[in-house]
Amino acid sequence: AQTVTQSQPEMSVQEAETVTLSCTYDTSESDYYLFWYKQPPSRQMILVIRQEAYKQQNATENRFSVNFQKAAKSFSLKISDSQLGDAAMYFCAYRFLFQGAQKLVFGQGTRLTINP
Amino acid sequence: NAGVTQTPKFHILKTGQSMTLQCAQDMNHGYLSWYRQDPGMGLRRIHYSVAAGITDKGEVPDGYNVSRSNTEDFPLRLESAAPSQTSVYFCASSSLEEGSFFGYTFGSGTRLTVV
Repeated sequence: AQTVTQSQPEMSVQEAETVTLSCTYDTSESDYYLFWYKQPPSRQMILVIRQEAYKQQNATENRFSVNFQKAAKSFSLKISDSQLGDAAMYFCAYRFLFQGAQKLVFGQGTRLTINP
Repeated sequence: NAGVTQTPKFHILKTGQSMTLQCAQDMNHGYLSWYRQDPGMGLRRIHYSVAAGITDKGEVPDGYNVSRSNTEDFPLRLESAAPSQTSVYFCASSSLEEGSFFGYTFGSGTRLTVV
């Protein structure tokens, strides 16, 4: 079964410091996408960063970067210079094609607290 | 602004009542899906559609129905609500073309409480 595991239900970090959220996934596919979504208290699901499995280079978006280890099936998110606005629930998600149809599987989420 | 619009944002329903959650997208996306979000379980897919007239079950379809009569709209219907359907519901869309797939756009969600 295709699963996504976020082993850290909660994380906290001091403002301006760096924090890494972990995510592992189980797959037999070779071509897929990985995402990190942010869900602030407003409930909106916001795409933070995405990674295509065939690309070896780790994706970056300003203060957000990933460490994509395909062989280890690991996809961690690093947030540098943490800001109060980064406080949210973060979801790791894995998208693949199954019998021609797309499927998106989410992890359980990590709640990130930023301490001023 | 282009995106996915969900209504209502909040609703309280009595057990056994029916209701329809609305979803509309204006990005000409072929793929539309409904998810429910429960604490500690992430988001789980209920139903999805790849074109008007074509719908299919997701991983947790029981108790829900969908229809798709055009590209834009994808309503989710609860025929006889149960307390176990208390959840936050999200509609999400994406391009069906692999060459133009960049990710999923989510609506703002509907918090539904069944009492």
